[in-house]
Amino acid sequence: AQRVTQPEKLLSVFKGAPVELKCNYSYSGSPELFWYVQYSRQRLQLLLRHISRESIKGFTADLNKGETSFHLKKPFAQEEDSAMYYCALSNQAGTALIFGKGTTLSVSS
Amino acid sequence: DVKVTQSSRYLVKRTGEKVFLECVQDMDHENMFWYRQDPGLGLRLIYFSYDVKMKEKGDIPEGYSVSREKKERFSLILESASTNQTSMYLCASSYLNTGELFFGEGSRLTVL
Repeated sequence: AQRVTQPEKLLSVFKGAPVELKCNYSYSGSPELFWYVQYSRQRLQLLLRHISRESIKGFTADLNKGETSFHLKKPFAQEEDSAMYYCALSNQAGTALIFGKGTTLSVSS
Repeated sequence: DVKVTQSSRYLVKRTGEKVFLECVQDMDHENMFWYRQDPGLGLRLIYFSYDVKMKEKGDIPEGYSVSREKKERFSLILESASTNQTSMYLCASSYLNTGELFFGEGSRLTVL
């Protein structure tokens, strides 16, 4: 079964601390994985995808097929990073995304 | 900029009423989606459509139907609303199967 697991509902860190939002997946074959973010009172939007291997707003995510993980990382958190983060997996047909339950990141000064 | 517009931001309906949620996108995207977003449950796919008049069930289609008569418009229909359908409904669109979904602002439905 295709599944995305985000084990943390809430992650609270101080400004300047490193951040790691965990995501594990279950999938047969080569997965396509994404991170989406929803800032307060804004639309849900794509943050990054694993195939692009880019850094967006200082965030990176590496696909680890051995551990079936796609954790989102940032070395120094900023207050404006506070948001809800969703990990998502493209379904087998590639037609829709399966989302995790989300992790709320709270960065305080 | 891609714009996905959901016609109603907030709705309050009574149990048993028929509810229409409308979504329009302006970027000629083939794919359109309806998700519901609930705290602690994340986003769950209700239905999606990859072409006019085509639809596929998602993970939780029970109690819902959809309509896509024109490429830019995708409607979600609750034939007989129930209290457990109180939720935030998100519409999204994407170009083919890129995985980059563009979301609307959401429609918060309360069923009393």
